[in-house]
Amino acid sequence: QKEVEQNSGPLSVPEGAIASLNCTYSDRGSQSFFWYRQYSGKSPELIMFIYSNGDKEDGRFTAQLNKASQYVSLLIRDSQPSDSATYLCAVNLADYGQNFVFGPGTRLSVLP
Amino acid sequence: DADVTQTPRNRITKTGKRIMLECSQTKGHDRMYWYRQDPGLGLRLIYYSFDVKDINKGEISDGYSVSRQAQAKFSLSLESAIPNQTALYFCATRRGRNGGTDTQYFGPGTRLTVL
Repeated sequence: QKEVEQNSGPLSVPEGAIASLNCTYSDRGSQSFFWYRQYSGKSPELIMFIYSNGDKEDGRFTAQLNKASQYVSLLIRDSQPSDSATYLCAVNLADYGQNFVFGPGTRLSVLP
Repeated sequence: DADVTQTPRNRITKTGKRIMLECSQTKGHDRMYWYRQDPGLGLRLIYYSFDVKDINKGEISDGYSVSRQAQAKFSLSLESAIPNQTALYFCATRRGRNGGTDTQYFGPGTRLTVL
């Protein structure tokens, strides 16, 4: 069974702090990993993707991937109230028609 | 103009009615998807299509059907709506020619309520 797990939250952090969002997946055939941000009632929008072990940075965001531990994370530095949203982890599976399996999302609240 | 559009944006209907949700895209992508989102459950795949003649069931296809009328259009139908189909529905597209690193692009969503 293909599973992607995330803590549902809410995760609360003060403005300016680092928010750390975690995702684990069950299928070792997973190829690439995507982080989406979703504001309430809106559609998901891509933050970044990663497919190699290690870190990938884009502005205030850093994705970290550890395939041996089947773990991917997203760090948000200098968190802002506008970062308050639900963050979805998605895993691209080669044996699932290259389709995505989404985690349930983590709700982040950045407190002013 | 939005690259991926969905109509209607909101719909309230009654149990047993037939409902069609429509999705159009101008991105020129081959792959299109229908998802539903329920609180605490994330996005679940209903149907997907890799081209006009290639349509596949997702994990929760029971009670739904689809039609890929053209590369740019992908419709989702609920033949006889029931209350537990009340959810937020998203259409998505994906280029799919770049291996696993292409993202999916989502439409604005359709909020469906079945009474």
